[in-house]
Amino acid sequence: NAGVTQTPKFQVLKTGQSMTLQCAQDMNHEYMSWYRQDPGMGLRLIHYSVGAGITDQGEVPNGYNVSRSTTEDFPLRLLSAAPSQTSVYFCASSYSGGGSPLHFGNGTRLTVT
Amino acid sequence: GQQLNQSPQSMFIQEGEDVSMNCTSSSIFNTWLWYKQEPGEGPVLLIALYKAGELTSNGRLTAQFGITRKDSFLNISASIPSDVGIYFCAGRNNDMRFGAGTRLTVKP
Repeated sequence: NAGVTQTPKFQVLKTGQSMTLQCAQDMNHEYMSWYRQDPGMGLRLIHYSVGAGITDQGEVPNGYNVSRSTTEDFPLRLLSAAPSQTSVYFCASSYSGGGSPLHFGNGTRLTVT
Repeated sequence: GQQLNQSPQSMFIQEGEDVSMNCTSSSIFNTWLWYKQEPGEGPVLLIALYKAGELTSNGRLTAQFGITRKDSFLNISASIPSDVGIYFCAGRNNDMRFGAGTRLTVKP
């Protein structure tokens, strides 16, 4: 059972480049979300989805797009990378959007130069 | 917004000592959770609390869901070197919000 799988583990981008961070889960979880983690700031919610075809914004959505065409996958897109987006990105999923605990992937470390 | 204030920011303790950390919010949450994160990994769930006033233990860890639903604490008893890491509180309604973390260092 793989759980939540994130790819790539590391990525370096130049300012203005675009890329997609991949996230897949094999637990049939309805709820998926993306967080960014910066030193001293904990995890901040970027976007989340309560099911296929439904997405919503979190605390820090600007500069990021998401889509949820299947239950398993929840990719995060950076359309035009900026140095302020240098961070560690975590994808997480749970059975529902209620009280269920989130299960996290191991993160993608992104550097934008 | 749903801000969580977690304290302390860091702790340096001797092996065998007890640890206490807490989290407060101006918002009510339906669920409080505590996670631990080690370097290079994602956060791992330690304890989930679902009812106001609930006190739950997991080995040497004990956590409580505050009666007002706006706070929670985590205690670790008789700390050991492998307790080192960053501990995060989280509150959940529909989405989940996190505190800034408590970095724990345990000296043997």
